[in-house]
Amino acid sequence: AQKITQTQPGMFVQEKEAVTLDCTYDTSDPSYGLFWYKQPSSGEMIFLIYQGSYDQQNATEGRYSLNFQKARKSANLVISASQLGDSAMYFCAMREGWNTGNQFYFGTGTSLTVIP
Amino acid sequence: DGGITQSPKYLFRKEGQNVTLSCEQNLNHDAMYWYRQDPGQGLRLIYYSQIVNDFQKGDIAEGYSVSREKKESFPLTVTSAQKNPTAFYLCASRNRGSGEKLFFGSGTQLSVL
Repeated sequence: AQKITQTQPGMFVQEKEAVTLDCTYDTSDPSYGLFWYKQPSSGEMIFLIYQGSYDQQNATEGRYSLNFQKARKSANLVISASQLGDSAMYFCAMREGWNTGNQFYFGTGTSLTVIP
Repeated sequence: DGGITQSPKYLFRKEGQNVTLSCEQNLNHDAMYWYRQDPGQGLRLIYYSQIVNDFQKGDIAEGYSVSREKKESFPLTVTSAQKNPTAFYLCASRNRGSGEKLFFGSGTQLSVL
């Protein structure tokens, strides 16, 4: 079974509108972390936001928020007030457990295009 | 400025040739990782290292080798045994701590001539 599933290969959003990128995960470990990364065409992976499995509040970082629904095992990224510079690939990732060596599992990504 | 430096940005490999991708970090991070990215796929783990002189295979280690002689450096060698090496390679590092994120380099695009 896939550890991270992103079902939207491509998304379009009008500039200044909000957009939600979907992510579901699969783990039996009660301790895990969820991450979102942005990858522009340059290739570098840029960290956006983090949510720990025991965090009570949904994480927010500026225009990014993570809609964490633990029972549904979903961790959707919400981008508010989209900008042209938000056009990029977006990857959801999970790390099980707290061991430094535990690997990160990545989804296949969603390509977001912001339309002027 | 602290960060991860990958070189070269583009690399070409001939048949039967080994090539080495460089990854250097000055973030004083303990753990370092190598990922492979193919079009339409997520990142797949090749190797990772938690401390100097120690490393573990990831999901797709066959045809690759690594070394970790210094904390700052984690070079990846793509050997001739890797029959489909064309991909984008990303190096990453992170510090200890439950919420510590991966920091990434800018990547190396490897192509076969």
